[in-house]
Amino acid sequence: DIQMTQSPSSLSASVGDRVTITCRASQSISSYLNWYQQKPGIAPKLLIYAASRLQSGVPSRFSGSGSGTDFILSISSLQPEDFATYYCQQTYSTPRTFGQGTKVEIK
Amino acid sequence: EVQLVESGGGLVQPGGSLRLSCAASGFTFSDYYMDWVRQAPGKGLEWVGHTRNKADGYTTEYAASVKGRFTISRDDPKNSLYLQMNSLKIEDTAVYYCTRARATGLDYWGQGTLVTVSS
Repeated sequence: DIQMTQSPSSLSASVGDRVTITCRASQSISSYLNWYQQKPGIAPKLLIYAASRLQSGVPSRFSGSGSGTDFILSISSLQPEDFATYYCQQTYSTPRTFGQGTKVEIK
Repeated sequence: EVQLVESGGGLVQPGGSLRLSCAASGFTFSDYYMDWVRQAPGKGLEWVGHTRNKADGYTTEYAASVKGRFTISRDDPKNSLYLQMNSLKIEDTAVYYCTRARATGLDYWGQGTLVTVSS
């Protein structure tokens, strides 16, 4: 199975900050990497697919990059509604494993 | 509008069984793979398994943690997805989400249904 490791597990940031979250795969997954945002009590929402493609309706302050084993989710200017937990997921092979999540909290 | 609505969750004793359903609407259900994802209380997301579409033979795959105990099935004429859960363990306690799967990710999610395994 492919292991997905996110870092950090949590971070504190202020509105307007640039935030980056990394996700590392235990083996190459090409660009088969997706990012999700989850707020408490609500189902996750797809933000980024194929490592760098923005899902329809997602603000352009979100961006993704990387290929192979190392990936980054960036938020260019953190907004109040962005405080949430973010997960990466690989869809290169089954089981389609998720990272453990990164909680973005208000500083 | 795409909608996925899960039902069937509840309280069950260890060793018991439960069947979850997911009613889909707003898209051509038969064209899509469908996945189940779960989330234990206060924990992260765990992929449970999926069923491929008709074109890919309706084959299924599962996470190791549920293989042999859980069965995913679908009824395309009824636009419905199912998760049959047998030999339930306390660690299966979670919110279970039905999701529409594309090569580009899980693009639609249901609201989730809570399964609690407890004596």
